Amino acid sequence: AQSVTQLDSQVPVFEEAPVELRCNYSSSVSVYLFWYVQYPNQGLQLLLKYLSGSTLVKGINGFEAEFNKSQTSFHLRKPSVHISDTAEYFCAVNPSGGSYIPTFGRGTSLIVHP
Amino acid sequence: DGGITQSPKYLFRKEGQNVTLSCEQNLNHDAMYWYRQDPGQGLRLIYYSQIVNDFQKGDIAEGYSVSREKKESFPLTVTSAQKNPTAFYLCASSSGTGVNTGELFFGEGSRLTVL
Repeated sequence: AQSVTQLDSQVPVFEEAPVELRCNYSSSVSVYLFWYVQYPNQGLQLLLKYLSGSTLVKGINGFEAEFNKSQTSFHLRKPSVHISDTAEYFCAVNPSGGSYIPTFGRGTSLIVHP
Repeated sequence: DGGITQSPKYLFRKEGQNVTLSCEQNLNHDAMYWYRQDPGQGLRLIYYSQIVNDFQKGDIAEGYSVSREKKESFPLTVTSAQKNPTAFYLCASSSGTGVNTGELFFGEGSRLTVL
């Protein structure tokens, strides 16, 4: 079985500052990794995903994440945030054997202050 | 445009009434899911379906029912047996063919409020 831990439930940051949202996972097999974003009263949309290859993954809206297998982490970063980045962010993991049920973290609320 | 359509966006219900939330997808995806979202609790899986005419319970299926008569449609009924139905409900789908990476495509959600 897999598990996902998002270490921070809330991350406040000022506009134009860098931000890192942390995600750690546990799994006995290889995994695929995902970050989703959810704006208020909307569904989730994919920010980026790691399936294989380069461990540095670039996504939409200037976000990137780095897969670290030895530390079982997949932290999300952005060098300069905007007010519009205020949202809930979810990390998810799925075993590479093709499970139909990904495991989600509990989410991190990113709050960008002017 | 391909995607997932949920309706209604907002729904109010009196206690004791059943309600059905609609979910339709035109992505030709095999697998579909229903999640419940409450503040601070992340996503909890209610039901999922890998193929037509088959579905499995998730972590919190009690008080809910589903059907999967067509590939495109996966409606969720919130029954009067669900003790605390006020929540935000999300429908999702995934390809299910070839290697299933687990990437989900979500609808815009339905907010149910019990009065």
